[in-house]
Amino acid sequence: RKEVEQDPGPFNVPEGATVAFNCTYSNSASQSFFWYRQDCRKEPKLLMSVYSSGNEDGRFTAQLNRASQYISLLIRDSKLSDSATYLCVVTMDTGRRALTFGSGTRLQVQP
Amino acid sequence: EAEVAQSPRYKITEKSQAVAFWCDPISGHATLYWYRQILGQGPELLVQFQDESVVDDSQLPKDRFSAERLKGVDSTLKIQPAELGDSAMYLCASSRHKNTEAFFGQGTRLTVV
Repeated sequence: RKEVEQDPGPFNVPEGATVAFNCTYSNSASQSFFWYRQDCRKEPKLLMSVYSSGNEDGRFTAQLNRASQYISLLIRDSKLSDSATYLCVVTMDTGRRALTFGSGTRLQVQP
Repeated sequence: EAEVAQSPRYKITEKSQAVAFWCDPISGHATLYWYRQILGQGPELLVQFQDESVVDDSQLPKDRFSAERLKGVDSTLKIQPAELGDSAMYLCASSRHKNTEAFFGQGTRLTVV
């Protein structure tokens, strides 16, 4: 089983739609959680951190469920510019493999 | 805004040749990572440094890959000899501490022919 798993998609949604992605992680000792956004052939860029209490930044909301070992990302009022791959990242406490990435979920927002 | 610098941006090399990549992290960032990303997959860690020390190189193919961060600042990743399967994007990232958010350079796209 992969340490971090994501549905690869693609998720094809119309502009203005609300879309949600989930990411599951296997190691219960995981400590920190992030969502990154990656445009085609570009480097990953930090979208937001995921706190135990949840995190909201404009149209983006991230949630953490430690009991079920998953994190989620909700995008409201989707824009064409949201089209990208969203990478889930999990860190461990041991210092080894400190940042582990999922394979990413591709989002395509259509006009 | 501080950035992670990487060079070169693109590299084409023949198999069996040596190739090297350079990374300069954000100033003050103690943790430096080298990742490899194949198209359609997430980045996979090759090596992680804490200052000048290697914290994790368990996924680094040590028969052909080497990495160093001699003064705990910039870092070099080397492949010798390069193989066709090494064609990928090589990404460097840095973070202030381990387990904190990391920031990536623009990457080096390697093509081995």
